[in-house]
Amino acid sequence: EPEVTQTPSHQVTQMGQEVILRCVPISNHLYFYWYRQILGQKVEFLVSFYNNEISEKSEIFDDQFSVERPDGSNFTLKIRSTKLEDSAMYFCASNIGQLDTQYFGPGTRLTVL
Amino acid sequence: QKEVEQDPGPLSVPEGAIVSLNCTYSNSAFQYFMWYRQYSRKGPELLMYTYSSGNKEDGRFTAQVDKSSKYISLFIRDSQPSDSATYLCAMDRGADGLTFGKGTHLIIQP
Repeated sequence: EPEVTQTPSHQVTQMGQEVILRCVPISNHLYFYWYRQILGQKVEFLVSFYNNEISEKSEIFDDQFSVERPDGSNFTLKIRSTKLEDSAMYFCASNIGQLDTQYFGPGTRLTVL
Repeated sequence: QKEVEQDPGPLSVPEGAIVSLNCTYSNSAFQYFMWYRQYSRKGPELLMYTYSSGNKEDGRFTAQVDKSSKYISLFIRDSQPSDSATYLCAMDRGADGLTFGKGTHLIIQP
């Protein structure tokens, strides 16, 4: 069964450093998403991406964040200058159509020291 | 008022019991309703997806939506220890990302 994959599973970085989180969505999906979940809190929407551009973004997704689909398979989230409060699980999701089920990856745990 | 309210629990029940999990919401624009299961430090896994008021059944799971009351439920019959997880309700306006509840931590005691 096809699934969303994410790398790395755990990323440790120093405050102020740039990080890139990688996702491979399900191959025939067209819509891609990033969410984050701070420990003990709810899953929060960051951004949606379709047709090589951002469709929607939340208030959390400020200028420190960017997304890219550099090739036909990868979808990345870049945080330019990490802050302590960026420590969280980051989940990638994808679906075929905007109203279809979103399938989530296993997440990348980001720890900012 | 938060958009989606969900009791975080923990909810502890004996094996074989019927489990009832609930969420309330305030935004009438939500049209699509989902239940995800999340094991510790894993990604959410879809259990049920509904878009209208009423009941939807899949095996031991029944999802119920009452749009007039802005209330959704998930029932688990014949609960098993492997059902122990955090259950997240999620909602979609059809325009952007999902809005999640905080999740209910469920423990099924053998």
